[in-house]
Amino acid sequence: GDSVTQMEGPVTLSEEAFLTINCTYTATGYPSLFWYVQYPGEGLQLLLKATKADDKGSNKGFEATYRKETTSFHLEKGSVQVSDSAVYFCALSDKAGNQFYFGTGTSLTVIP
Amino acid sequence: SQTIHQWPATLVQPVGSPLSLECTVEGTSNPNLYWYRQAAGRGLQLLFYSVGIGQISSEVPQNLSASRPQDRQFILSSKKLLLSDSGFYLCAWRGQSNNSPLHFGNGTRLTVT
Repeated sequence: GDSVTQMEGPVTLSEEAFLTINCTYTATGYPSLFWYVQYPGEGLQLLLKATKADDKGSNKGFEATYRKETTSFHLEKGSVQVSDSAVYFCALSDKAGNQFYFGTGTSLTVIP
Repeated sequence: SQTIHQWPATLVQPVGSPLSLECTVEGTSNPNLYWYRQAAGRGLQLLFYSVGIGQISSEVPQNLSASRPQDRQFILSSKKLLLSDSGFYLCAWRGQSNNSPLHFGNGTRLTVT
């Protein structure tokens, strides 16, 4: 069945460091891919999305490219800030769009 | 614009007591609705989803149930809570387009004592 695998955390970075959080997926057909961010005590917020191969989603300095050949959707940011500290979830929706599959989440802490 | 409301924000209930969590969506019609549970420090577990009034799909057999009495209302219930029901419960909705993302509420922190 469909699934998402993302890198284990926690990840600790210094402010202004480069961030990569790896995400790979298994799916039949052509799923849509998403990154969500969760701040402590809150629900998940959509960070960015890509709906077809080679699409690049971007928001708030974060980027991810839908790579069909490597079945990946890695999250990147060139210079992280303390306010980026949160848990990040990679997700896909199946072809019908009724079911979503989430990775286990990666906790990011950015220190000044 | 669309908004999703989920309440209560926090709840402490004794073992064996009933549960009712409510979620409503505004600004859209015929959304797909979802209930997820997030155990402490862990990922998301899909509990139920609904594609229409009265249509509920259960993903995990347990002592929880869901109902959708109105188009934009989704209720999570239990007749008798267990300690293992403690967690962070999230309601979410999405539009009918296949590429629509999920939009989450702010969650309910349930502690069963």
